[in-house]
Amino acid sequence: RKEVEQDPGPFNVPEGATVAFNCTYSNSASQSFFWYRQDCRKEPKLLMSVYSSGNEDGRFTAQLNRASQYISLLIRDSKLSDSATYLCVFTNQAGTALIFGKGTTLSVSS
Amino acid sequence: ETGVTQSPTHLIKTRGQQVTLRCSSQSGHNTVSWYQQALGQGPQFIFQYYREEENGRGNFPPRFSGLQFPNYSSELNVNALELDDSALYLCASSLQREGGEQFFGPGTRLTVL
Repeated sequence: RKEVEQDPGPFNVPEGATVAFNCTYSNSASQSFFWYRQDCRKEPKLLMSVYSSGNEDGRFTAQLNRASQYISLLIRDSKLSDSATYLCVFTNQAGTALIFGKGTTLSVSS
Repeated sequence: ETGVTQSPTHLIKTRGQQVTLRCSSQSGHNTVSWYQQALGQGPQFIFQYYREEENGRGNFPPRFSGLQFPNYSSELNVNALELDDSALYLCASSLQREGGEQFFGPGTRLTVL
């Protein structure tokens, strides 16, 4: 099993749509989980951390399911500016390195 | 902007050559991590430096080496370049070596011909 698996997409949605991304990970010792956003030919930027209790930041909601070893990201009311690649990320056992998925590409159209 | 800077922004080298990439960390950050991102892939961890010492390494051969200086800036050196080394090289700085948020620089795009 790969360390982290994401559906690469692309997800093509109209403005205003709700879209969900899932990601599974194999290392049960991972302590921290994140979603990063990466625009074309730019560096990744932290979108939000993911907690077991679930957390929300405006239109974005993240969930962590440790028992099933997956995290999810829900984007409501999609905007054109949400078009990007969304990277599922967790830390290695030592907490020193970020382990990235390949990313899921989202394209929001008007 | 994260305050992390990298140089150069682009670089073209030929197989067998050596390259040095540079990173200046965000003010106050004592930890620098390097990542390689090939086209269509997520970034892969190369190594981390904390207070001038290597503090963890990913699955990269010894021809990938690094340094961290007293001001916490860092260098990534790659010897005997191979075509597969063509990638975006990202530097990230953080306040702590474990679990802290990592702030990425804009990257150096290396092309090996």
